[in-house]
Amino acid sequence: AQSVTQPDIHITVSEGASLELRCNYSYGATPYLFWYVQSPGQGLQLLLKYFSGDTLVQGIKGFEAEFKRSQSSFNLRKPSVHWSDAAEYFCAVHSGGYQKVTFGTGTKLQVIP
Amino acid sequence: NAGVMQNPRHLVRRRGQEARLRCSPMKGHSHVYWYRQLPEEGLKFMVYLQKENIIDESGMPKERFSAEFPKEGPSILRIQQVVRGDSAAYFCASSPPAHSSYEQYFGPGTRLTVT
Repeated sequence: AQSVTQPDIHITVSEGASLELRCNYSYGATPYLFWYVQSPGQGLQLLLKYFSGDTLVQGIKGFEAEFKRSQSSFNLRKPSVHWSDAAEYFCAVHSGGYQKVTFGTGTKLQVIP
Repeated sequence: NAGVMQNPRHLVRRRGQEARLRCSPMKGHSHVYWYRQLPEEGLKFMVYLQKENIIDESGMPKERFSAEFPKEGPSILRIQQVVRGDSAAYFCASSPPAHSSYEQYFGPGTRLTVT
C-alpha cells in the first residue's frame, strides 16, 4: 500500500528565508506526486505535481520540488518565503489510473516578520 | 470552466440528524472521489464513484455513511444519525474520463459540525 510521511508537523521561518518541507513516500513503482496548500478554512490548491520526466518540478507561487527516487523523497522548496505563504502544506501520492490519492498528515508553516 | 462545487460550505447538525453533502464535478468529469479531513489531520479517502456506480468504498465507515452519483445531478454523501465524531471537513474531487495524468481537482469542502 502506498503511504506518505511528512516528518515535520510545524515549521517556523522568517520572511525572506528559504524553505524546505520534507516528504517521503512509499510505493512500489513510480508514483504520481503532488504538493497541495491549504489556508485555514479553505480547500486545497495544487502547487505542483510530478508524473515523469525532469525530476525538478516548478510550481505556482515560486515553489519547486525535486523527486529523488533513491531517497523516496519529494521535498518542497522555496528560496524566499513571503508572509502569505503561511498555511498548511500536504504532500500526496497517487498510483495512477483512477485510484485514490493518499495524503501526508501535513506541515503547518508559520512565517514570522 | 467552473471548478468542483460543493454545497453547503458549512453544515450544522444535531446528533441523530442526517447530513447530506453535495458535490458537482467539473464539467466533463465523470469520476468523483470523497475525502474526509478530521481536525488536525490530513485528508483520508472515503469513496470513489463513477456515474451510477460505486467503484471503491474501502474508506467508508461500514455504518451510517453512503454515497451516490446518479446519472443526473450531483454526487451525494449521506451521513445518517450523525455523531460528534463525524465533525470534519468533507472534500470532493473529480477527474476527467480520459486523462494521462488522472489528476484530481478538489472542491472547497463542506465543513460539518455536529452539536
